[in-house]
Amino acid sequence: GNSVTQMEGPVTLSEEAFLTINCTYTATGYPSLFWYVQYPGEGLQLLLKATKADDKGSNKGFEATYRKETTSFHLEKGSVQVSDSAVYFCALRGSQGNLIFGKGTKLSVKP
Amino acid sequence: ETGVTQSPTHLIKTRGQQVTLRCSSQSGHNTVSWYQQALGQGPQFIFQYYREEENGRGNFPPRFSGLQFPNYSSELNVNALELDDSALYLCASSLGGSQNIQYFGAGTRLSVL
Repeated sequence: GNSVTQMEGPVTLSEEAFLTINCTYTATGYPSLFWYVQYPGEGLQLLLKATKADDKGSNKGFEATYRKETTSFHLEKGSVQVSDSAVYFCALRGSQGNLIFGKGTKLSVKP
Repeated sequence: ETGVTQSPTHLIKTRGQQVTLRCSSQSGHNTVSWYQQALGQGPQFIFQYYREEENGRGNFPPRFSGLQFPNYSSELNVNALELDDSALYLCASSLGGSQNIQYFGAGTRLSVL
């Protein structure tokens, strides 16, 4: 079945450091891929998405490229800020239109 | 702010009881999905309603049931609560069927004692 695997956290970085959070998926076909972010005490917010192979999603300095060869959708940001501290979820669109999430990666950015 | 509102924010129940959680979808959205997020885990799909009909379901037992109303708001009902039902329950709404972006509410935190 469809599934998403994310790198385990927590990830702790200093402000302005480079961020990579790895995400790989198993799926039939080429589903849409997403990154959602969850700030403390809040629901999930869509960060970025890609709907087909080689698409690059980007938002707020974050980027991820849909790589069908490696079945990956790694999240990157060139310079993180304290305000980026949150839990990040990689997800794919399931056959019922539902979202299938990874377990999440907690990011802490220190000043 | 997504415009998806959930109530209540927090809830405490005892094992065996029944609970109803509510969700108001974003204006104009006709599809509502419910997810369960256990502590430290990603959200798991419970079911989805489109124009008042259930049109998708995850691996949850029948004691998890739902409704969608003509104004597209929704309820999640859980009967015979178990300790493992303790979780954050998230509602997401979308427009025009299941392939569009899902916008999440802040969730209801359910604790079963």
